[in-house]
Amino acid sequence: NAGVTQTPKFRILKIGQSMTLQCTQDMNHNYMYWYRQDPGMGLKLIYYSVGAGITDKGEVPNGYNVSRSTTEDFPLRLELAAPSQTSVYFCASSYSSTYSYEQYFGPGTRLTVT
Amino acid sequence: KQEVTQIPAALSVPEGENLVLNCSFTDSAIYNLQWFRQDPGKGLTSLLLIQSSQREQTSGRLNASLDKSSGRSTLYIAASQPGDSATYLCAAPGGAGSYQLTFGKGTKLSVIP
Repeated sequence: NAGVTQTPKFRILKIGQSMTLQCTQDMNHNYMYWYRQDPGMGLKLIYYSVGAGITDKGEVPNGYNVSRSTTEDFPLRLELAAPSQTSVYFCASSYSSTYSYEQYFGPGTRLTVT
Repeated sequence: KQEVTQIPAALSVPEGENLVLNCSFTDSAIYNLQWFRQDPGKGLTSLLLIQSSQREQTSGRLNASLDKSSGRSTLYIAASQPGDSATYLCAAPGGAGSYQLTFGKGTKLSVIP
């Protein structure tokens, strides 16, 4: 299993541009998540999905959109990029059970907006 | 709202020493708690997931404990090695029934040869 894969690894955007960060998992997990990590701030949840066709906002959703058309894919869309969106973005997935939601992370996408 | 705090923020120890990393959380109505390792410029690697009923979980030289009543978890690393140098993150669910993780800011560990 490849686990959770993310593309691209690095990207530089100009202010106002848009892009999509790709995330794919091959573990048949129904829960998927997007986090951003800023220096000294810890990880913050942007959006999450509990299954295909179902998404919901996390702690910091402004400026982002998501969709979940398949179990495997959970792309994150940035519209009108702003310098405040410079960050490292991590996608994660987990299998849902009553007591265990162990999350598995992708390698991250490092985004710079200038 | 769940809040997770990790102390210390950074720790430097000589090789071979045993050490303890601390994590505290405010909402104790959790099913489990997860410890991660993050190497510079890399993603997060899951180390241990402790269920609330387990109180302890072991993997090799790592032992994690969970005390819900006091809102604390510890990660014990035995016989530390330079390869253990990384940032260690603790994450707790948002509360009863919640699967959204709240992360601490991490403890940056340096093991000196």
